[in-house]
Amino acid sequence: GAGVSQSPSNKVTEKGKDVELRCDPISGHTALYWYRQSLGQGLEFLIYFQGNSAPDKSGLPSDRFSAERTGGSVSTLTIQRTQQEDSAVYLCASSLNRGSVGETQYFGPGTRLLVL
Amino acid sequence: DQQVKQNSPSLSVQEGRISILNCDYTNSMFDYFLWYKKYPAEGPTFLISISSIKDKNEDGRFTVFLNKSAKHLSLHIVPSQPGDSAVYFCAAIYGGSQGNLIFGKGTKLSVKP
Repeated sequence: GAGVSQSPSNKVTEKGKDVELRCDPISGHTALYWYRQSLGQGLEFLIYFQGNSAPDKSGLPSDRFSAERTGGSVSTLTIQRTQQEDSAVYLCASSLNRGSVGETQYFGPGTRLLVL
Repeated sequence: DQQVKQNSPSLSVQEGRISILNCDYTNSMFDYFLWYKKYPAEGPTFLISISSIKDKNEDGRFTVFLNKSAKHLSLHIVPSQPGDSAVYFCAAIYGGSQGNLIFGKGTKLSVKP
């Protein structure tokens, strides 16, 4: 597709369950980011993938959060044993290459996660 | 502690007038600033950016001003149009980072016809 796509668009789950969120970046983009936006907050960086390099996981809030990127393309963000405070919009972004500061990141529509 | 601050959660402007959205930052290491616009149920879209070596960047109706000494930037939209109604996020980045953006909490702009 032309843009970043994410699935599902909405997810309601019960506290304690695991969830998987998927991101398909723009074809050819080597950099992929996950952010989340909690209610009334700005976007918070979670994790960054660049090509085949080890990901930067510095933004992950706890060890219940993990992400992988297969084949340098599709990425999955997994939240284990979800908690109510995990409720947020999870946004994925991709960019062509981390060659210059401020390179435009293109965002997907997000996955709205609600943990009951 | 927030490094990028948008102190006005909302702003209402009449169509045709100027909209001014403000952003303050605390980290003097930031060397690039961006504005993103977000409609409901959509992801943010890039609007305009400015390097820290400049004090102004203009693109059509949108102009971003940077005052490094005050650690302040602003986005001017003139003339404002109803379609500009959205949440505007200020974001910053520094060259030593992995490229992740640091966002403010956003300002909801409403442009009334």
